[in-house]
Amino acid sequence: QQQVKQSPQSLIVQKGGISIINCAYENTAFDYFPWYQQFPGKGPALLIAIRPDVSEKKEGRFTISFNKSAKQFSLHIMDSQPGDSATYFCAARVSGGADGLTFGKGTHLIIQP
Amino acid sequence: KAGVTQTPRYLIKTRGQQVTLSCSPISGHRSVSWYQQTPGQGLQFLFEYFSETQRNKGNFPGRFSGRQFSNSRSEMNVSTLELGDSALYLCASSLGPDQPQHFGDGTRLSIL
Repeated sequence: QQQVKQSPQSLIVQKGGISIINCAYENTAFDYFPWYQQFPGKGPALLIAIRPDVSEKKEGRFTISFNKSAKQFSLHIMDSQPGDSATYFCAARVSGGADGLTFGKGTHLIIQP
Repeated sequence: KAGVTQTPRYLIKTRGQQVTLSCSPISGHRSVSWYQQTPGQGLQFLFEYFSETQRNKGNFPGRFSGRQFSNSRSEMNVSTLELGDSALYLCASSLGPDQPQHFGDGTRLSIL
């Protein structure tokens, strides 16, 4: 059972555009939602995270939007740059729960110059 | 501040062998988690350690085990290796349970 569904699998965006990646979850007990960025040959790097008590969090060009009633959250990358080309993973976790992070399948993002 | 260090970076083993992977967390971090990353299954949680105790374990067979030492360094062991164990094994550390996790660059394990 895939508890976190991520879309799209791949995404091509022009330089300067907005990249949007979506995730939907099933477990209503999830209360921590991070996004990770992974470059080839590297481990995932924590980008930004949100808890369900807020609907939006912004850090630089990266914004998480969270919709608790729809059980969805998304990552927006503003002014996308070629250096943003990477694989992005959403994840979720139950605080104090029995499992670690549950990850989406990833989105391969390409920013065209 | 040094990040999470995993050794070795690459390993080649044959079926039936066993392997031990090592993880040194970020200084001051006391929680260590392990994940398996494959193209088909993505990132899957293996186990989490805090204060030398295993807190959680994912849905993996008993061939996968781990431990944590008093200095928070951690090792994971896989016995009786199978072809399907070929993967990138990632270690993540955090200040404590439920704190943000920071990943190392992983150990790439190939089974022949």
